[in-house]
Amino acid sequence: RKEVEQDPGPFNVPEGATVAFNCTYSNSASQSFFWYRQDCRKEPKLLMSVYSSGNEDGRFTAQLNRASQYISLLIRDSKLSDSATYLCVVIGQAGTALIFGKGTTLSVSS
Amino acid sequence: NAGVTQTPKFQVLKTGQSMTLQCAQDMNHNSMYWYRQDPGMGLRLIYYSASEGTTDKGEVPNGYNVSRLNKREFSLRLESAAPSQTSVYFCASSAQGAGNTEAFFGQGTRLTVV
Repeated sequence: RKEVEQDPGPFNVPEGATVAFNCTYSNSASQSFFWYRQDCRKEPKLLMSVYSSGNEDGRFTAQLNRASQYISLLIRDSKLSDSATYLCVVIGQAGTALIFGKGTTLSVSS
Repeated sequence: NAGVTQTPKFQVLKTGQSMTLQCAQDMNHNSMYWYRQDPGMGLRLIYYSASEGTTDKGEVPNGYNVSRLNKREFSLRLESAAPSQTSVYFCASSAQGAGNTEAFFGQGTRLTVV
C-alpha cells in the first residue's frame, strides 16, 4: 500500500459546484497533514494545513480522521480559478520528509 | 525575498553526461528536499536533509547523489544521466521539527536526457 493515496480524477465540475477530495495515509504515526495546490507546470504551493479539529479557509474546508487515516478537502462554490491539481501531503514525524500523494485533478468549467 | 532558488530551469543532457542541480534557500530553514515529478506519478522524494550535515534517501535515490553544502544550499548530482531521469525536479525547504510547517518549492528544473 502506498503511503499516501488519492483518487487522481479528473473531477470535472461546473462553476458553483461543491466538490470533495479524499486522501488516505498508511502510517498511523503521521503527525502533520496538508493540502497543496499545483497549477500546470508550476511548483506546488500550500493551500492549507489540516488540523485534528478541522479547519476552514473561505470556501475551503479540510478535515482529518485519524481513526480511519484519511483527510479530506471540500471546495464550495467552485470557481474557474480553482482548476488545478490538489496534492495531499503527510509528514510522518518531526524531522522526516513530506510525502506527497499523486494528486487529484480538478477542472471547473463555465 | 527569493525563497527557494533552483538552477538551471531547463537542461538537456546526453546519456552518460553528468550535471549538478543547484538549490538555495534564504529562509533559514533546516530541512531541504529534492523531488522528481513525472506524469501520473506525483512528486517522489529522491533525497532529503533534515539539517545541515545530514542526508537521507527517499523513495527513488538510485542514480543520484546529494550534498548539503551548508544550511542554505542542497545540491543534487546526476553522475551518469539516463533517459529514465528525464523529469521535472523540484527542490523544497521547510522549518524543522514543528508540526504543520509549510514547505516552499523552487520553480523546478526541467531535465531531458537524450
